[in-house]
Amino acid sequence: AQSVSQHNHHVILSEAASLELGCNYSYGGTVNLFWYVQYPGQHLQLLLKYFSGDPLVKGIKGFEAEFIKSKFSFNLRKPSVQWSDTAEYFCAVQPPMTWGKLQFGAGTQVVVTP
Amino acid sequence: DGGITQSPKYLFRKEGQNVTLSCEQNLNHDAMYWYRQDPGQGLRLIYYSQIVNDFQKGDIAEGYSVSREKKESFPLTVTSAQKNPTAFYLCASSTQGAIYTEAFFGQGTRLTVV
Repeated sequence: AQSVSQHNHHVILSEAASLELGCNYSYGGTVNLFWYVQYPGQHLQLLLKYFSGDPLVKGIKGFEAEFIKSKFSFNLRKPSVQWSDTAEYFCAVQPPMTWGKLQFGAGTQVVVTP
Repeated sequence: DGGITQSPKYLFRKEGQNVTLSCEQNLNHDAMYWYRQDPGQGLRLIYYSQIVNDFQKGDIAEGYSVSREKKESFPLTVTSAQKNPTAFYLCASSTQGAIYTEAFFGQGTRLTVV
């Protein structure tokens, strides 16, 4: 079955550490890719998106993601995390010709300790 | 402010009762979606609508029903047939007919069956 996989369900790291969250998908063809974040008690917010062009995408709050087509991956990175980055992170894929429909990964709970 | 409004924020339902969750958008988007969020499972698509008076089942439509009588509104009814309705429900909307389209999310409704 076609799917979106996030490699880690829980990540705990200290402030100033680097963060990388993996995301792989199994859809063929041209896909649109997204990372969303859900801070505790808040709604889902878009961190960044990839539609086409430069495979290295910069988003809000210092996050970036790299699309590697040959690996069907869209990994999220941040060089130095802060306590305020504690949240749940979701990778989402918009399969070909499905317009706004999204397939989400299971999410990664990130906890940043002071 | 343009956006998506979901109400209520918290909802309690007795077993055997139907309950309707409201979703309204003023973004002039054609497409609207309902997702269900459960811990460790990400978001799963319940129903979506690409145009007024038309809607399609998503991945987990059993026990749910929707209507789309107006462009701005896409209410979701959780029926007594839904075996495990306690969850966080998210409504989203997007433009339709564009290759590069992004979904915008409401703040969610947390439904608890008591």
